[in-house]
Amino acid sequence: QVQLQESGPGLVKPSETLSLTCTVSGGSISRYYWSWIRQPPGKGLEWIGFIFYSGSTNYNPSLKSRVTISVDTSKNQISLKLNSVTAADTAVYYCAREDRVSDNQGVILGWFDPWGQGTLVTVSS
Amino acid sequence: SSELTQDPAVSVALGQTVRITCQGDSLRSYFASWYQQKPGQAPVLVIYGKNNRPSGIPDRFSGSTSGNTASLTITGAQAEDEADYYCNSRDSSGNYVIFGGGTNLTVL
Repeated sequence: QVQLQESGPGLVKPSETLSLTCTVSGGSISRYYWSWIRQPPGKGLEWIGFIFYSGSTNYNPSLKSRVTISVDTSKNQISLKLNSVTAADTAVYYCAREDRVSDNQGVILGWFDPWGQGTLVTVSS
Repeated sequence: SSELTQDPAVSVALGQTVRITCQGDSLRSYFASWYQQKPGQAPVLVIYGKNNRPSGIPDRFSGSTSGNTASLTITGAQAEDEADYYCNSRDSSGNYVIFGGGTNLTVL
């Protein structure tokens, strides 16, 4: 059974870089897409971006200028870096595996399962 | 359109049936998935695609789509179903993942 565990600092100062790692256990990173998703306190879910095990990425346009997602297949880890953070980036950050169904025109269905337990990152001085 | 719209709150009497909806133009082209989130916990996948349930999800959960609306139906709601429910799909370009704003379900 695949399990995901997020880790990283729980407190980041404004204007600095948020860095998180997601460690995958019980299975391989290979052949899957892996996403970061966040949830500000009391609010809904926001997709940040995904990475394929080969290294190809796609990011939420609203965050694209500040986000980098990378993968280390040797460690079974996915990493997230979000720079120039503000209080608006305070959230629980989740990693999740994405499964997909595609037709000849592209992805028609994607779903996230499993999810990590999430880690709260607070941006404050 | 890049939005999925959900009712913020829905209530249902114990044992009755409730439908939670998710509207968006992109749903005419892309399927939705549904997640249950209880306080302090990570979301859990309950339905994906036309009407697929992951193992371990009770069969009282079902999904459907009509036009620009995806629905999650709980037939015979239980107290433990009280939670937030989120839909997700693709935006109209198909390139980006989007989530609905979530529906808080209360079981009375």
